[in-house]
This record gives sequence, C-alpha cells and structure tokens, in this order.
Amino acid sequence: RKEVEQDPGPFNVPEGATVAFNCTYSNSASQSFFWYRQDCRKEPKLLMSVYSSGNEDGRFTAQLNRASQYISLLIRDSKLSDSATYLCVVSSRWGYQKVTFGTGTKLQVIP
Amino acid sequence: EAQVTQNPRYLITVTGKKLTVTCSQNMNHEYMSWYRQDPGLGLRQIYYSMNVEVTDKGDVPEGYKVSRKEKRNFPLILESPSPNQTSLYFCASRLSLAGQYEQYFGPGTRLTVT
Repeated sequence: RKEVEQDPGPFNVPEGATVAFNCTYSNSASQSFFWYRQDCRKEPKLLMSVYSSGNEDGRFTAQLNRASQYISLLIRDSKLSDSATYLCVVSSRWGYQKVTFGTGTKLQVIP
Repeated sequence: EAQVTQNPRYLITVTGKKLTVTCSQNMNHEYMSWYRQDPGLGLRQIYYSMNVEVTDKGDVPEGYKVSRKEKRNFPLILESPSPNQTSLYFCASRLSLAGQYEQYFGPGTRLTVT
C-alpha cells in the first residue's frame, strides 16, 4: 500500500461547481498534512495546511479525519484558474524530515 | 523576494557526461532537498540536507551526489547520467528539519539524457 494515495482523476467540472478530493495515508503516526497545488510543468506551491479541527481559506476547505486516516479538500464555486493538479502531502511526525507526496489529483474546470 | 532558484531550467545531454544542477535559496533555510518527478510516480526524494555539511539519502539516491558547503546552495551532481535519469527535477527548501513547515520549490529542471 502506498504511503499516500490519491485518485489521479482527471476531475472535469463546470465553472461554479463544488468539487472534493480525498487523500488517504497509511502511517498512523503522521502529524502534519498539507495540500499543494501544481500547475502544468511548474513547481508545487503550498495551497493550505490541514489542521485537526479543519480549516477554510476562501473557497477552499480542508478536513482531517485521523480515525479513518484521510484528508480532504473541498473547492466551492470552481474557477477556470483552479485547473491544476492538487498534491496531498503528509509528514510523518514532528522533528522528522520525511515528507511524502501523493501523486496528485488533476482538476480541469470547464467553461 | 524569497525564492529558490535552479539552473539550468532545461538540459539535454548524453549518457555518461557529468553534469551539475545548481540550487540556491535566499531564505536562510536549514533544510534543503532534491526531488524528481515522473509521470504516475509523483515526487520522489533523492537527497536531503539538514544543514551545512549534513546530507543524507532520500528514497531514490542511486546515480546522484550532492554537497552542502554553504547554507544557501545545494547542487545536484550526476556523475554519469543515464537515460533513466531523464526527469523533471525540483530543489526545495524549508525552515528546518521539522515536517510542519512549508516547502518552497525551485522552478524545476527538465533533464533529458539520450
């Protein structure tokens, strides 16, 4: 089983739609969770960290479910500019360098 | 502007010809690492460095070398490149070893080995 698993997609959604991605992780000792965004052939950039209580940043909401070992990203009112690949990132525990990237979920927002 | 820079951005070379990809960050970050990204495999860590003169292997270190003589620079060296090292390479840095900090990536180096 992969350490971090994501549905590769692509998710093709119309503008204005709400879309959700899930990501599962295998290491129950994982402590830090992130969503990164990667545009085609560009470098990944941090979209948001994921906190235990869940967090929101504008149209984006991230949730963590430790019991089931998954994190989610919800995008409301999708924009064309949201088209990208979304990478789930998990860090194993505080003070340890191991950061594992999922292979990413591709989102295409259609006019 | 806080950034990670890499050079070259694109490189086509032949098997066996030694090459170096440079990486530099201006954020005074302790931790730096190199990744390669291949279709369907995601980002895989090659080497990382916790500070000057401290480096260690990541998940796919074979065929690569690194050095960290200065805090800001972390070059990736391919002593004898082979076609299976054709990939997109990213250098990244973060504040420290601790995994809760954001990673900043360079723009990537697209390497083709023929």
